[in-house]
Amino acid sequence: DAGVIQSPRHEVTEMGQEVTLRCKPISGHNSLFWYRQTMMRGLELLIYFNNNVPIDDSGMPEDRFSAKMPNASFSTLKIQPSEPRDSAVYFCASSLTGGEGDTQYFGPGTRLTVL
Amino acid sequence: AQTVTQSQPEMSVQEAETVTLSCTYDTSESNYYLFWYKQPPSRQMILVIRQEAYKQQNATENRFSVNFQKAAKSFSLKISDSQLGDTAMYFCAFMKRSNDMRFGAGTRLTVKP
Repeated sequence: DAGVIQSPRHEVTEMGQEVTLRCKPISGHNSLFWYRQTMMRGLELLIYFNNNVPIDDSGMPEDRFSAKMPNASFSTLKIQPSEPRDSAVYFCASSLTGGEGDTQYFGPGTRLTVL
Repeated sequence: AQTVTQSQPEMSVQEAETVTLSCTYDTSESNYYLFWYKQPPSRQMILVIRQEAYKQQNATENRFSVNFQKAAKSFSLKISDSQLGDTAMYFCAFMKRSNDMRFGAGTRLTVKP
């Protein structure tokens, strides 16, 4: 079975440009998570969807960040406009139900560099 | 708030030997879940092992096992017969609710030939 799929694996862009990261969760999983990993702050949860509905977006750093999940098999994280401090590895993860203790399975991540 | 502490930023072990990575956490909850994830140079976050706090029996997954001490709030990972492919960052994580999984800062493990 395919795991969580993320694209692109690497993205280099210039400050001010729009960036869109993509994620396909594991088939049959109902919950999806976006994380950001930096050296300074480690792994941080940005937003959590359950059944395609955003449940908790309190980790989204600011209005420049937005996430959508138009269907059960696709989600996007958009940064507009991007800034150098957004440089990080962005992970998407999915879990079967999103219930208490449900294991999260991570994608390979997207390394974003904003120049 | 829950916090997760990994006090060993870096560790090394000889191939075929055993190594233990430490993790402590702080919580007032009685039921929760603990995880160890591995992040090799490929950057992929891979689940190593999972423990439910209400289970007294320590989880085991092949060469990987945990020592879960609930009273001490300790959750260490033991890797037996270390292999070169075990070289990675290891993250301990605490979860009460799905949208509140807290990760430690990680331990970088190097397995030496």
